Amino acid sequence: DTAVSQTPKYLVTQMGNDKSIKCEQNLGHDTMYWYKQDSKKFLKIMFSYNNKELIINETVPNRFSPKSPDKAHLNLHINSLELGDSAVYFCASSQDRSSTGKVETQYFGPGTRLLVL
Amino acid sequence: EDQVTQSPEALRLQEGESSSLNCSYTVSGLRGLFWYRQDPGKGPEFLFTLYSAGEEKEKERLKATLTKKESFLHITAPKPEDSATYLCAVQAAGGSYIPTFGRGTSLIVHP
Repeated sequence: DTAVSQTPKYLVTQMGNDKSIKCEQNLGHDTMYWYKQDSKKFLKIMFSYNNKELIINETVPNRFSPKSPDKAHLNLHINSLELGDSAVYFCASSQDRSSTGKVETQYFGPGTRLLVL
Repeated sequence: EDQVTQSPEALRLQEGESSSLNCSYTVSGLRGLFWYRQDPGKGPEFLFTLYSAGEEKEKERLKATLTKKESFLHITAPKPEDSATYLCAVQAAGGSYIPTFGRGTSLIVHP
């Protein structure tokens, strides 16, 4: 009954490969996010997505693309992996801001540890 | 540009030694401030949300407070199981609703 789940937990791959990370939430939330956490624990937003809009952090390379087959899933596709892509990637979800009128708490998944060799 | 600065970067305490972590922020109107706890190898776990200056929230040995410029996470009589990285995030009024995170404070409590 995990609220936000990610697969795989670990991903080791060669430079130049294409890979995907999957995320699922069972909280009924409308908005999902992808974050990148570097070795110094800094959480940097990559994407925010709900059924109305996709917000992209302009510093994210276009090799990264989010894909949402439905409201409960937001997958992250990465093309032509580079050494600098090695990090921990977190998926998160929250309730849509317009439906609650309150500040939305984000709930995070356990993370996917990506190592590019 | 919204900014969130956490201090200290790392903190070592003896069990029972109370202390405070700081989160100072610069935003164009605060909508909410979040505290999270992150254990090694895990995702951030939500602790508190604070909405306005003067607000306080408590959970076990943790107490979060908020002023117009900063938030404190007070840890009273910490135990080794309180060891973790504590993250602060702020959500600004207007514009993007995506929170901005600080770099965290790594807390180690020695028995």
